[in-house]
Amino acid sequence: NAGVTQTPKFQVLKTGQSMTLQCAQDMNHNSMYWYRQDPGMGLRLIYYSASEGTTDKGEVPNGYNVSRLNKREFSLRLESAAPSQTSVYFCASSEGLSNEKLFFGSGTQLSVL
Amino acid sequence: LAKTTQPISMDSYEGQEVNITCSHNNIATNDYITWYQQFPSQGPRFIIQGYKTKVTNEVASLFIPADRKSSTLSLPRVSLSDTAVYYCLVGDPTGANNLFFGTGTRLTVIP
Repeated sequence: NAGVTQTPKFQVLKTGQSMTLQCAQDMNHNSMYWYRQDPGMGLRLIYYSASEGTTDKGEVPNGYNVSRLNKREFSLRLESAAPSQTSVYFCASSEGLSNEKLFFGSGTQLSVL
Repeated sequence: LAKTTQPISMDSYEGQEVNITCSHNNIATNDYITWYQQFPSQGPRFIIQGYKTKVTNEVASLFIPADRKSSTLSLPRVSLSDTAVYYCLVGDPTGANNLFFGTGTRLTVIP
């Protein structure tokens, strides 16, 4: 049982490049989330998907788009990467949105030069 | 959205009990309190969740006073492997408010 799997683990981009971070969970969870974590700071919610077919903005959605491809997969896309998007990105899932505990992936370390 | 305040950092010796307090003065009636643990280079891991009084599991205890304006995570007899950042979250069970992390408390366990 892999839990939440994120790919890639590391990525370096040049300013203006685009990329998609992939996330998949095998726990049959309904809700999925994308967070970013900057050095010495807590996690900030970018987008979340309460259920398949729905997505909503979190605290810091600007510069990102998401796709809930199916129940298992939730991707995060940077259309035109900026140095301010250098961060560690975590994907998480939960059984439901209603106060359920979150299960996190191991993160993607992204550097934008 | 209930804002939480935690100490930035704490140090403790191995074998001691550690108590981390989280302040949430504007907690709402429907809000639950949830704690997560994060090790370096890993995603956070759920520790414990409660609504009022005391909750205990195999890892920790959570104490919530009657006014619910604060909560205390208690880790019994800490070891070096408990060195991590601990996050307190407060939010209602009907929406996404329970998903907001603060900066957490960095606990360092000293040999």
